Amino acid sequence: AQTVTQSQPEMSVQEAETVTLSCTYDTSESNYYLFWYKQPPSRQMILVIRQEAYKQQNATENRFSVNFQKAAKSFSLKISDSQLGDTAMYFCAFMRGGYQKVTFGTGTKLQVIP
Amino acid sequence: DTGVSQDPRHKITKRGQNVTFRCDPISEHNRLYWYRQTLGQGPEFLTYFQNEAQLEKSRLLSDRFSAERPKGSFSTLEIQRTEQGDSAMYLCASSFPGQGFAGELFFGEGSRLTVL
Repeated sequence: AQTVTQSQPEMSVQEAETVTLSCTYDTSESNYYLFWYKQPPSRQMILVIRQEAYKQQNATENRFSVNFQKAAKSFSLKISDSQLGDTAMYFCAFMRGGYQKVTFGTGTKLQVIP
Repeated sequence: DTGVSQDPRHKITKRGQNVTFRCDPISEHNRLYWYRQTLGQGPEFLTYFQNEAQLEKSRLLSDRFSAERPKGSFSTLEIQRTEQGDSAMYLCASSFPGQGFAGELFFGEGSRLTVL
């Protein structure tokens, strides 16, 4: 079974600064996908960024980027120029290729401080 | 289409009662998921449909839980003889394996269950 571990329950960052959220996973699969989802307070969860395991290049979406270390099974999320709207729970997630079940970590609560 | 909708948003019930939640996915999405989320935890997979077929059900799901997706459109999640441990947010998500699909789930706002 795949597991996803987020070791930082809570983090805070000053507005306009950069913050990195950590995630590690455990799998014996070679074909899989990794995701970061954002869940703002009292709002639905949305996808922030995704990474295909077969791609060596780290994914980037505007201010969000990942550091994907396949050998170390590490998948961290970097948020640059943090904004107040980034305040949310962030969940790291894993999906095996060709399979539809997505497994989530326990989340990191990020607070952006003005 | 405005996204995945769930109803009711909040349900308070007494222990032993039955409750039913409804999820309307994005119209062109053929995959539908139910997750459960308790405070401070990540979403926990419950079950998954492709069209009307229930393809997987979590082993953690007791026999008191049942889900259906008649005609491959909306889905219902029923919990019979509720227990206090069932108190949680029940999340519905849908997806469509279109071109470039890589597992993105579109979530509803959830149905919060409180069992007294």
